[in-house]
Amino acid sequence: GDSVTQMEGPVTLSEEAFLTINCTYTATGYPSLFWYVQYPGEGLQLLLKATKADDKGSNKGFEATYRKETTSFHLEKGSVQVSDSAVYFCAHSEGNNRLAFGKGNQVVVIP
Amino acid sequence: DADVTQTPRNRITKTGKRIMLECSQTKGHDRMYWYRQDPGLGLRLIYYSFDVKDINKGEISDGYSVSRQAQAKFSLSLESAIPNQTALYFCATSGPTQETQYFGPGTRLLVL
Repeated sequence: GDSVTQMEGPVTLSEEAFLTINCTYTATGYPSLFWYVQYPGEGLQLLLKATKADDKGSNKGFEATYRKETTSFHLEKGSVQVSDSAVYFCAHSEGNNRLAFGKGNQVVVIP
Repeated sequence: DADVTQTPRNRITKTGKRIMLECSQTKGHDRMYWYRQDPGLGLRLIYYSFDVKDINKGEISDGYSVSRQAQAKFSLSLESAIPNQTALYFCATSGPTQETQYFGPGTRLLVL
């Protein structure tokens, strides 16, 4: 069935380092792809999205490109800040306004 | 004011008790969802509703029920709570032509 796979384990890095979080998906058709972010003690909020192949979503210095050929939507940021510490979820649409989420990655940025 | 609100924000209950979690939204969206979040498992869909008369089971509906009292309100009930229902519960909404979902702040539930 449809699913979203994120890289295992938390990510710890220093301030101003480069961040990559991998996400791959399996789905029928051409889903929209999303990254959501959950800051400590809060609900999820949309970070960025892409609705078709080769689209690039971007927001707050984060970027992700919809790669149909590799079924991937990896999240990147060139220089992270302490305030980027959060849990990041990749998701894809399943049709009918449902979303399938990955397990999430905890990102900890150390000053 | 927040567009999607959940009450209570935290709840401790005992095994066998019935509890209700409530969700309200001011976004005017027809579609509402209940998820639970467990460490290492991400978000899993419990129930969803596309309008007041529509209720659909998600992937983990056993042990839960819902009520869509109005367009703006969607409640989740645990008829007889058990410890493995301890989790963080989120309500979300979306518009009819939108895939983006908007989440409430969550309810942290502990079942003893």
